[in-house]
Order: sequence, then structure tokens, then C-alpha cells
Amino acid sequence: DGGITQSPKYLFRKEGQNVTLSCEQNLNHDAMYWYRQDPGQGLRLIYYSQIVNDFQKGDIAEGYSVSREKKESFPLTVTSAQKNPTAFYLCAAKPGQLTNYGYTFGSGTRLTVV
Amino acid sequence: AQSVTQLGSHVSVSEGALVLLRCNYSSSVPPYLFWYVQYPNQGLQLLLKYTTGATLVKGINGFEAEFKKSETSFHLTKPSAHMSDAAEYFCAVSPIQAGTALIFGKGTTLSVSS
Repeated sequence: DGGITQSPKYLFRKEGQNVTLSCEQNLNHDAMYWYRQDPGQGLRLIYYSQIVNDFQKGDIAEGYSVSREKKESFPLTVTSAQKNPTAFYLCAAKPGQLTNYGYTFGSGTRLTVV
Repeated sequence: AQSVTQLGSHVSVSEGALVLLRCNYSSSVPPYLFWYVQYPNQGLQLLLKYTTGATLVKGINGFEAEFKKSETSFHLTKPSAHMSDAAEYFCAVSPIQAGTALIFGKGTTLSVSS
């Protein structure tokens, strides 16, 4: 079945460490997105990419970095500069730039700072 | 700027009762509108969407929503709640500019009691 795979499902980070969250899709979708979810705050956009080798900052990009070297992969790195990284992270994809398409979401990664 | 407001962060209903989750949007152009559902520790799943045409949209799991331009609303309803409907629900509006990202509301948690 086509879909989006996020790994790991749970991730623990020590203070000062960088960690990378994986997002892989086999939908052949052009656009991919990273959101952060905190209780009561909904989904906040971190980064998005419309095509390979190109990406844009979202509303809360500080302390995060991404790459888009392959169409099917859009990993997110949470750097030590992100002071409060504990959250649920969601990756999504959609076919193209048309705005009438909905997103397909992965099952998320829960990151906890220990 | 576009925005989405979901009225009520928590809604509680009894099993068999009507479900009504409210969503209002602001957009300077005719919007595309979406409702997503999220079960605990999972990603979001598309329930339904309005793009053009019929203003009453039917989705999965017996949910439907009506686009009312005059009221800038897109409320989600289900005639009879089931225990399995307990989840968080997000309303989203498409961006005006193609190639950017969906704008999500902060979500409404639906509780269903027996």
C-alpha cells in the first residue's frame, strides 16, 4: 500500500544532541511537509518542500533543518538550538502545488528530551 | 491573512447524540476546506473536503459538512455519535498561494460517553 512512513515512532534526545526524524513516502507526491503538534496548539508548520533540492521555512523553523535530496525522502533534524523540542512531529505529502488536494499524513514521531 | 477558528477545544456528547463541531474561516478568495481526524498517537486522516460544487459534502464514517459562504463556516456533523468517534478533529483551509501549506485550526477533542 502507498503511504508515508515515519521512524522512529518514539525518540529520546539528550540535552545538546541533534536528532534526525525520518519521513519516507512511496506515493510519488511532489510536496512534503513537517508539522509540530503540541497539546492545545494544533499543527504548526516547520518546513515544506515542493520539489527535490528545494524547501522553504514554515512558521517555526528556528532550531530545525531539513533536506530533500530525493523525491521520496524528507528528513527533519532537530538541532541543539531548538530549546523545547519535546513534541509530536508529523510528516505529510500531497501530489502537487494545486491547493485543492488534501494531505496524506504519516503516523508521527514522538520526541522527548531526557 | 487566512485563518481557521474552531469553536470549542472540547466537545462532549452521549453515544447516539448529534455531533456538531464548528469551524469558521477567513479567506479573501473562495476557499478549499478540509476536515481531518486524529486518533491518539496517530497521524491525521482526511474525513472530507469541499472544493467546488455541492455545498453539502459527505465523508467517511458517516460525517458530513456544509459549506456556508455567507457565514464563512464549514461545520462538521454526524447524526448519531459512536464511541469510536472519540478523537481530535481539525479543520483546515487551503492557502491562497499555490505552493504553500494548508492552514489548520487548533483542533477540537470529541469525547463520547455511553
